[in-house]
Amino acid sequence: DGGITQSPKYLFRKEGQNVTLSCEQNLNHDAMYWYRQDPGQGLRLIYYSQIVNDFQKGDIAEGYSVSREKKESFPLTVTSAQKNPTAFYLCATKEVAAGNSPLHFGNGTRLTVT
Amino acid sequence: QKEVEQDPGPLSVPEGAIVSLNCTYSNSAFQYFMWYRQYSRKGPELLMYTYSSGNKEDGRFTAQVDKSSKYISLFIRDSQPSDSATYLCAMSEEGRRALTFGSGTRLQVQP
Repeated sequence: DGGITQSPKYLFRKEGQNVTLSCEQNLNHDAMYWYRQDPGQGLRLIYYSQIVNDFQKGDIAEGYSVSREKKESFPLTVTSAQKNPTAFYLCATKEVAAGNSPLHFGNGTRLTVT
Repeated sequence: QKEVEQDPGPLSVPEGAIVSLNCTYSNSAFQYFMWYRQYSRKGPELLMYTYSSGNKEDGRFTAQVDKSSKYISLFIRDSQPSDSATYLCAMSEEGRRALTFGSGTRLQVQP
């Protein structure tokens, strides 16, 4: 995980509740990303942030929200509007958003909503 | 049709075998190609990173890119049980901010 911490590792919530997933990095990378991973579907981009106080929607942003108040932190809130929130959520960082360096991932949070 | 296609497997091989993992893609603008390894309940870790066409070798791992065929491969020599994982290919265009991932191939190396 190389300096990217996601917590908690497992999270359980009741339907209708909002839940916030934490992602902290000490790599001093500018860009941070949230991906969702479902069996057989690979990784899908939810939101990304290139710099502090700025973020953009990815391919599946509906039902999610983010903030980027500090360079080190990029929390993801899964709202009650997300229809199928149960999934494995991965946070990633990149040295510079527009550059061609690869992504580095945290170890994920598995969210189960019942 | 998905932008990146990857056989989900599982691919089962005996220890010591040479493993070939592949992805095809449709976007000719992809320039950067990556292979990630993901163990169960962990995040993906970067294995190989290549630019444009050609080969890159790192220990037991070799990555190949054939842009004319829109086809990339990862070869693992002398495979070990510890190589058992899901392998994800990923690619991006020049200067793009996000990657496009394949769905992953699950590899099992039998001792």
